[in-house]
Amino acid sequence: AQRVTQPEKLLSVFKGAPVELKCNYSYSGSPELFWYVQYSRQRLQLLLRHISRESIKGFTADLNKGETSFHLKKPFAQEEDSAMYYCALSGQRQAGTALIFGKGTTLSVSS
Amino acid sequence: EPEVTQTPSHQVTQMGQEVILRCVPISNHLYFYWYRQILGQKVEFLVSFYNNEISEKSEIFDDQFSVERPDGSNFTLKIRSTKLEDSAMYFCASSENRGPSANEKLFFGSGTQLSVL
Repeated sequence: AQRVTQPEKLLSVFKGAPVELKCNYSYSGSPELFWYVQYSRQRLQLLLRHISRESIKGFTADLNKGETSFHLKKPFAQEEDSAMYYCALSGQRQAGTALIFGKGTTLSVSS
Repeated sequence: EPEVTQTPSHQVTQMGQEVILRCVPISNHLYFYWYRQILGQKVEFLVSFYNNEISEKSEIFDDQFSVERPDGSNFTLKIRSTKLEDSAMYFCASSENRGPSANEKLFFGSGTQLSVL
C-alpha cells in the first residue's frame, strides 16, 4: 500500500539553525515524491519535487530509495519558513494520478 | 500567476442536505482534482477528472459524491446527503496536461470549509 509518514507533528527551531523535516514512504514501485507547503492563511503550494532536483527557497530534498526517505533540508532556517509542510507521493507516471499526502509537519522558526 | 478559485470559502449545512462546492480551475488545465482535509488529519485524495470523466477515485468517494464540469469552466463537487463526518476543508486542484510523463504540478485552490451540523 502507498503510504507517506511524517513522524514529527511540530518542529521548532531558532533562526539560522539547520532544519530537517523527515518523510518516509512506502511504495513497491518507483514513486514520484513532492514537498508541498502551506503558509498561514494561504493555499497549499508545491515547494519542490524530486525529479527536478532543484533548490527552492534554500530547501533541498534527496530521494533515498534504500531508506525510502525524502527528507526536506535547509541549512539556515528563516522566520518566513514557518509553515505547514506536507510530503506527498504519486505512484504512477501519469498526469491525473492521486497524490498521497503525509499528515504534515508544522515548522516554527523563532528569533 | 493564475489561480484556482473556490467558492464559497465557508459552507454550513444541516445533516442530510445536499451541498455543491464550486471550483474554477486554471483555464488551460485539463486535469482536475478534489482533496479534503478533516481537521487535524492529513490531506486526502477524493477524485481526479479528465476529459469529462472520472479518471481515478478513492474509497472516500462513494455514491454520495459526484463531480461535474457543467459549463467548461466550473468544476463542482456535490455531496447528496451530507453526514457529520463530511465536515472538512475541501480543496480543488488542477494541472496542465503535458503528456504521459511524471505527475504534473498541482495548483490548489484556497479551499472550502464545509461544516455539517
